Amino acid sequence: ETGVTQTPRHLVMGMTNKKSLKCEQHLGHNAMYWYKQSAKKPLELMFVYNFKEQTENNSVPSRFSPECPNSSHLFLHLHTLQPEDSALYLCASSQDRGAARNYGYTFGSGTRLTVV
Amino acid sequence: SQQGEEDPQALSIQEGENATMNCSYKTSINNLQWYRQNSGRGLVHLILIRSNEREKHSGRLRVTLDTSKKSSSLLITASRAADTASYFCATDSDSWGKFQFGAGTQVVVTP
Repeated sequence: ETGVTQTPRHLVMGMTNKKSLKCEQHLGHNAMYWYKQSAKKPLELMFVYNFKEQTENNSVPSRFSPECPNSSHLFLHLHTLQPEDSALYLCASSQDRGAARNYGYTFGSGTRLTVV
Repeated sequence: SQQGEEDPQALSIQEGENATMNCSYKTSINNLQWYRQNSGRGLVHLILIRSNEREKHSGRLRVTLDTSKKSSSLLITASRAADTASYFCATDSDSWGKFQFGAGTQVVVTP
């Protein structure tokens, strides 16, 4: 285990459903990230939170809504998704955004999302 | 836009052989990192090399960086079946720890 826990591991949802992905870290980190990983494509940065403040929204459609209630928890709320949103969603954390330059990210194992 | 791009896309070798993969990038970087991802899992940080460094070692891993060619290589020596994974490079070109990842090199090590 890396110290970053994502739940659920797998999720199948219909296009009209609403669901949430959860990420939790107990590493004392202050920056948390959502990445989307589609087959054969580079990882796509979606959102960045630094000390609970959203500092980056990488032109993500509004059907994805992040929430960071505290430095240890990060959520990704999903509604009216499309089949092309099916992917592995990875959460990562770092001491803070600047520290990531020197120490990198700690990733969770991801949530495999399938939209039907 | 994609910054790091790994080559080859896939690599198949036998245990004991060395595995080499390359990463090319487009713009100037501060640091470059390599990550490993086992099937269906998250990425694990392997090694970081700074823009003023040319070579770095960690166990059986050797990373080189050539900033004039905007490229890096990752060498895994004496590979093991457990090294089977996808390997990604990530480049950092701003001051905010924002990394851009490539699509990865898929390495299969057969016993």
